[in-house]
Amino acid sequence: DIQMTQSPSSLSASIGDRVTITCRASQGISNYLAWFQQKPGKAPKSLIYAASSLQSGVPSRFSGSGSGTDFTLTISSLQPEDFATYYCEQYYRYPPTFGQGTRLEIK
Amino acid sequence: QLQLQESGPGLVKPSETLSLTCTVSGGPFSSSSYYWGWIRQPPGKGLEWIGAIWYIGSTHYNPSLESRATIFIDTSKNQFSLKLSSVTAADTAVYYCARQPRPDYMDTAMTVDHWGQGALVTVSS
Repeated sequence: DIQMTQSPSSLSASIGDRVTITCRASQGISNYLAWFQQKPGKAPKSLIYAASSLQSGVPSRFSGSGSGTDFTLTISSLQPEDFATYYCEQYYRYPPTFGQGTRLEIK
Repeated sequence: QLQLQESGPGLVKPSETLSLTCTVSGGPFSSSSYYWGWIRQPPGKGLEWIGAIWYIGSTHYNPSLESRATIFIDTSKNQFSLKLSSVTAADTAVYYCARQPRPDYMDTAMTVDHWGQGALVTVSS
Protein backbone atom coordinates (compact mmCIF):
# COMPACT_ATOMS: atom_id res chain seq x y z
CA ASP A 1 0.00 0.00 0.00
CA ILE A 2 1.06 3.60 -0.56
CA GLN A 3 1.84 5.28 2.77
CA MET A 4 0.74 8.88 3.34
CA THR A 5 2.53 10.98 5.97
CA GLN A 6 1.20 14.33 7.13
CA SER A 7 3.06 17.06 8.97
CA PRO A 8 2.65 18.48 11.44
CA SER A 9 0.44 16.12 13.44
CA SER A 10 -1.00 19.11 15.26
CA LEU A 11 -0.86 22.83 14.80
CA SER A 12 -1.98 25.86 16.79
CA ALA A 13 -2.94 29.01 14.93
CA SER A 14 -4.97 32.19 15.31
CA ILE A 15 -7.93 33.60 13.41
CA GLY A 16 -6.65 35.27 10.27
CA ASP A 17 -3.41 33.27 10.09
CA ARG A 18 -2.19 31.59 6.92
CA VAL A 19 -1.70 27.87 7.55
CA THR A 20 -0.02 25.15 5.50
CA ILE A 21 -0.28 21.40 6.04
CA THR A 22 2.02 19.01 4.21
CA CYS A 23 1.34 15.48 2.94
CA ARG A 24 4.01 13.17 1.53
CA ALA A 25 3.41 9.94 -0.37
CA SER A 26 5.72 6.94 -0.14
CA GLN A 27 5.84 6.81 -3.95
CA GLY A 28 4.80 9.07 -6.79
CA ILE A 29 1.04 9.49 -7.11
CA SER A 30 0.86 12.13 -9.88
CA ASN A 31 -1.94 14.47 -8.75
CA TYR A 32 -4.29 11.79 -7.34
CA LEU A 33 -4.50 13.50 -3.97
CA ALA A 34 -7.53 14.62 -1.98
CA TRP A 35 -7.99 16.61 1.22
CA PHE A 36 -10.76 16.23 3.80
CA GLN A 37 -11.85 18.23 6.84
CA GLN A 38 -13.35 16.51 9.88
CA LYS A 39 -14.87 18.17 12.95
CA PRO A 40 -15.37 16.25 16.22
CA GLY A 41 -18.25 13.81 16.04
CA LYS A 42 -18.95 14.60 12.39
CA ALA A 43 -18.32 12.92 9.06
CA PRO A 44 -15.40 14.09 6.98
CA LYS A 45 -16.09 16.76 4.39
CA SER A 46 -14.46 16.64 0.98
CA LEU A 47 -12.43 19.79 0.27
CA ILE A 48 -10.04 19.19 -2.62
CA TYR A 49 -9.49 16.54 -5.30
CA ALA A 50 -6.83 16.16 -8.01
CA ALA A 51 -4.41 17.95 -5.66
CA SER A 52 -5.74 21.44 -6.40
CA SER A 53 -9.40 21.33 -7.50
CA LEU A 54 -11.94 22.61 -4.97
CA GLN A 55 -15.09 20.58 -4.38
CA SER A 56 -18.31 22.47 -4.98
CA GLY A 57 -19.12 24.92 -2.21
CA VAL A 58 -15.67 24.95 -0.60
CA PRO A 59 -14.48 28.50 0.24
CA SER A 60 -11.70 29.91 -1.90
CA ARG A 61 -9.46 30.44 1.14
CA PHE A 62 -8.67 26.72 0.82
CA SER A 63 -6.13 25.76 -1.81
CA GLY A 64 -4.05 22.71 -2.65
CA SER A 65 -0.87 22.19 -4.58
CA GLY A 66 1.73 19.58 -5.42
CA SER A 67 2.42 16.62 -7.65
CA GLY A 68 4.40 13.43 -7.41
CA THR A 69 5.15 12.81 -3.73
CA ASP A 70 4.78 16.20 -1.99
CA PHE A 71 1.56 18.10 -1.49
CA THR A 72 0.26 21.02 0.56
CA LEU A 73 -3.08 22.28 1.80
CA THR A 74 -3.14 26.00 2.52
CA ILE A 75 -5.80 28.02 4.32
CA SER A 76 -5.14 31.64 3.45
CA SER A 77 -6.93 33.30 6.38
CA LEU A 78 -8.18 31.06 9.16
CA GLN A 79 -11.81 31.37 10.15
CA PRO A 80 -13.37 30.02 13.37
CA GLU A 81 -15.09 27.20 11.48
CA ASP A 82 -11.76 25.95 10.06
CA PHE A 83 -10.52 24.48 13.33
CA ALA A 84 -10.74 20.75 12.69
CA THR A 85 -8.67 17.72 11.72
CA TYR A 86 -7.47 17.50 8.11
CA TYR A 87 -6.68 14.30 6.22
CA CYS A 88 -4.99 13.73 2.89
CA GLU A 89 -5.76 10.70 0.74
CA GLN A 90 -4.06 9.14 -2.26
CA TYR A 91 -6.22 7.49 -4.89
CA TYR A 92 -3.52 6.69 -7.43
CA ARG A 93 -3.53 3.00 -6.65
CA TYR A 94 -5.75 0.58 -4.76
CA PRO A 95 -6.38 0.66 -1.95
CA PRO A 96 -6.92 4.37 -1.39
CA THR A 97 -4.99 5.32 1.74
CA PHE A 98 -5.18 8.26 4.14
CA GLY A 99 -2.68 10.25 6.12
CA GLN A 100 -2.82 10.09 9.90
CA GLY A 101 -4.42 13.52 10.16
CA THR A 102 -3.39 17.02 11.22
CA ARG A 103 -5.29 18.58 14.10
CA LEU A 104 -5.65 22.34 13.73
CA GLU A 105 -6.33 24.06 17.04
CA ILE A 106 -6.99 27.61 18.16
CA LYS A 107 -3.98 29.36 19.69
CA GLN B 1 -29.09 17.73 -2.41
CA LEU B 2 -27.45 14.32 -2.25
CA GLN B 3 -27.89 12.50 1.05
CA LEU B 4 -26.48 9.19 2.23
CA GLN B 5 -27.78 7.53 5.39
CA GLU B 6 -26.32 4.49 7.10
CA SER B 7 -28.50 2.07 9.04
CA GLY B 8 -27.95 -1.18 10.90
CA PRO B 9 -27.25 -2.67 14.32
CA GLY B 10 -24.98 -0.66 16.56
CA LEU B 11 -23.81 -3.70 18.52
CA VAL B 12 -22.45 -6.93 17.07
CA LYS B 13 -21.05 -9.93 18.94
CA PRO B 14 -17.52 -11.19 18.27
CA SER B 15 -17.31 -13.79 15.46
CA GLU B 16 -20.66 -12.67 14.03
CA THR B 17 -21.35 -10.67 10.85
CA LEU B 18 -21.67 -6.88 10.77
CA SER B 19 -24.36 -5.66 8.38
CA LEU B 20 -24.94 -2.07 7.32
CA THR B 21 -27.08 -0.48 4.62
CA CYS B 22 -26.73 2.93 3.00
CA THR B 23 -29.77 4.63 1.49
CA VAL B 24 -29.10 7.30 -1.12
CA SER B 25 -31.49 10.13 -1.95
CA GLY B 26 -31.46 13.45 -3.76
CA GLY B 27 -29.20 12.43 -6.62
CA PRO B 28 -28.53 9.85 -9.34
CA PHE B 29 -27.85 6.36 -8.01
CA SER B 30 -27.83 4.06 -11.06
CA SER B 31 -25.18 6.15 -12.79
CA SER B 32 -22.03 4.97 -14.50
CA SER B 33 -20.26 8.04 -13.09
CA TYR B 34 -20.07 6.82 -9.51
CA TYR B 35 -19.02 4.00 -7.25
CA TRP B 36 -20.62 3.63 -3.82
CA GLY B 37 -18.20 2.88 -1.04
CA TRP B 38 -17.59 2.15 2.62
CA ILE B 39 -14.92 3.73 4.81
CA ARG B 40 -14.41 3.19 8.53
CA GLN B 41 -12.78 5.04 11.42
CA PRO B 42 -11.98 3.36 14.75
CA PRO B 43 -12.59 5.63 17.74
CA GLY B 44 -9.86 8.27 17.95
CA LYS B 45 -8.04 6.91 14.90
CA GLY B 46 -7.72 7.53 11.17
CA LEU B 47 -9.68 6.51 8.10
CA GLU B 48 -9.60 3.14 6.33
CA TRP B 49 -11.18 2.46 2.95
CA ILE B 50 -13.08 -0.84 2.93
CA GLY B 51 -14.35 -1.14 -0.62
CA ALA B 52 -16.77 0.11 -3.25
CA ILE B 53 -19.34 -1.11 -5.76
CA TRP B 54 -20.40 0.15 -9.21
CA TYR B 55 -24.06 0.29 -10.20
CA ILE B 56 -23.78 -2.89 -12.26
CA GLY B 57 -22.29 -4.77 -9.30
CA SER B 58 -18.55 -4.78 -9.98
CA THR B 59 -16.52 -4.27 -6.82
CA HIS B 60 -13.14 -3.26 -5.47
CA TYR B 61 -11.99 -4.17 -1.94
CA ASN B 62 -9.14 -3.31 0.37
CA PRO B 63 -6.94 -6.44 0.35
CA SER B 64 -6.69 -6.21 4.14
CA LEU B 65 -10.45 -6.84 4.43
CA GLU B 66 -11.27 -8.60 1.17
CA SER B 67 -11.61 -12.05 2.75
CA ARG B 68 -14.29 -10.82 5.16
CA ALA B 69 -16.06 -7.96 3.35
CA THR B 70 -18.89 -8.15 0.84
CA ILE B 71 -20.59 -5.13 -0.72
CA PHE B 72 -23.78 -5.47 -2.74
CA ILE B 73 -26.22 -3.08 -4.36
CA ASP B 74 -30.00 -2.83 -4.85
CA THR B 75 -30.68 -0.21 -7.50
CA SER B 76 -34.46 -0.65 -7.12
CA LYS B 77 -34.20 0.70 -3.57
CA ASN B 78 -31.30 3.16 -4.06
CA GLN B 79 -29.37 1.17 -1.45
CA PHE B 80 -26.03 -0.53 -1.09
CA SER B 81 -24.87 -2.69 1.78
CA LEU B 82 -21.80 -3.95 3.59
CA LYS B 83 -21.34 -7.28 5.30
CA LEU B 84 -18.20 -7.91 7.34
CA SER B 85 -17.85 -11.42 8.70
CA SER B 86 -16.03 -12.86 11.71
CA VAL B 87 -15.78 -9.52 13.48
CA THR B 88 -13.53 -8.81 16.44
CA ALA B 89 -13.12 -5.82 18.75
CA ALA B 90 -10.70 -4.38 16.18
CA ASP B 91 -13.68 -3.86 13.86
CA THR B 92 -15.30 -1.42 16.29
CA ALA B 93 -15.54 1.81 14.34
CA VAL B 94 -17.72 4.48 12.82
CA TYR B 95 -18.66 3.19 9.38
CA TYR B 96 -19.27 5.78 6.66
CA CYS B 97 -20.91 5.20 3.33
CA ALA B 98 -19.76 7.45 0.52
CA ARG B 99 -20.13 8.39 -3.11
CA GLN B 100 -16.94 7.88 -5.07
CA PRO B 101 -16.53 9.29 -8.58
CA ARG B 102 -15.56 6.61 -11.09
CA PRO B 103 -11.84 6.65 -11.88
CA ASP B 104 -10.69 7.97 -15.23
CA TYR B 105 -8.43 4.96 -15.77
CA MET B 106 -8.80 1.29 -14.87
CA ASP B 107 -5.67 1.13 -12.72
CA THR B 108 -6.34 4.25 -10.66
CA ALA B 109 -8.41 4.21 -7.50
CA MET B 110 -11.22 6.54 -6.40
CA THR B 111 -11.75 9.32 -3.89
CA VAL B 112 -14.89 10.54 -2.10
CA ASP B 113 -17.04 13.54 -2.90
CA HIS B 114 -20.00 12.92 -0.57
CA TRP B 115 -20.13 11.22 2.82
CA GLY B 116 -22.89 9.77 4.96
CA GLN B 117 -23.13 10.91 8.57
CA GLY B 118 -21.64 7.65 9.86
CA ALA B 119 -22.81 4.78 12.04
CA LEU B 120 -20.98 3.58 15.14
CA VAL B 121 -20.71 -0.20 15.32
CA THR B 122 -19.36 -1.73 18.50
CA VAL B 123 -18.17 -5.32 18.61
CA SER B 124 -18.68 -6.69 22.08
CA SER B 125 -20.23 -9.67 23.82
